[in-house]
Amino acid sequence: GQQVMQIPQYQHVQEGEDFTTYCNSSTTLSNIQWYKQRPGGHPVFLIQLVKSGEVKKQKRLTFQFGEAKKNSSLHITATQTTDVGTYFCAGYGNKLVFGAGTILRVKS
Amino acid sequence: DGGITQSPKYLFRKEGQNVTLSCEQNLNHDAMYWYRQDPGQGLRLIYYSQIVNDFQKGDIAEGYSVSREKKESFPLTVTSAQKNPTAFYLCASSIGYGTEDTQYFGPGTRLTVL
Repeated sequence: GQQVMQIPQYQHVQEGEDFTTYCNSSTTLSNIQWYKQRPGGHPVFLIQLVKSGEVKKQKRLTFQFGEAKKNSSLHITATQTTDVGTYFCAGYGNKLVFGAGTILRVKS
Repeated sequence: DGGITQSPKYLFRKEGQNVTLSCEQNLNHDAMYWYRQDPGQGLRLIYYSQIVNDFQKGDIAEGYSVSREKKESFPLTVTSAQKNPTAFYLCASSIGYGTEDTQYFGPGTRLTVL
């Protein structure tokens, strides 16, 4: 069945360093969505990518969708303490499947 | 104030008891979902409903039951048949059940079996 793998599972960075999380699907996707869950909170939708090779930016966050529409990445430039949380990708093949998430911790 | 509400926020249950988790939305969304979140495992789909009076099993439906009698409400019952029910339960909704419909999550219910 459709699987979505996300790495790394956990990353601890110094404030100001960059951070990247990667998402890989076992099947070609119609779209990929990214969500953020703050500690103790619930997932909140960040963005959706639909087109092959698409790149979208939200301030310090850059999202990419691979050419083959099977992988994606989220890159945060110059992390801040407000970036802490778990970042999930969710890929839509024949249904929406969530990755396990990457937990980001930021040391100030 | 539109959104999804879940109650209660924390729930304790004794082994062998059934318990029902509430989920209500006033977003006028057709589709609703229940997920279970365990540490390090992301979100796993329990049940989903595309429309009123219809629901489908997700990946881990065993030991759970749902109903969808009203568009706004999608309660989840955790039965005594669920072997390891302690988890964080998240309800979500989307406009429809389609490829580009993003999901809006409620605040979650943390269930602990004593």
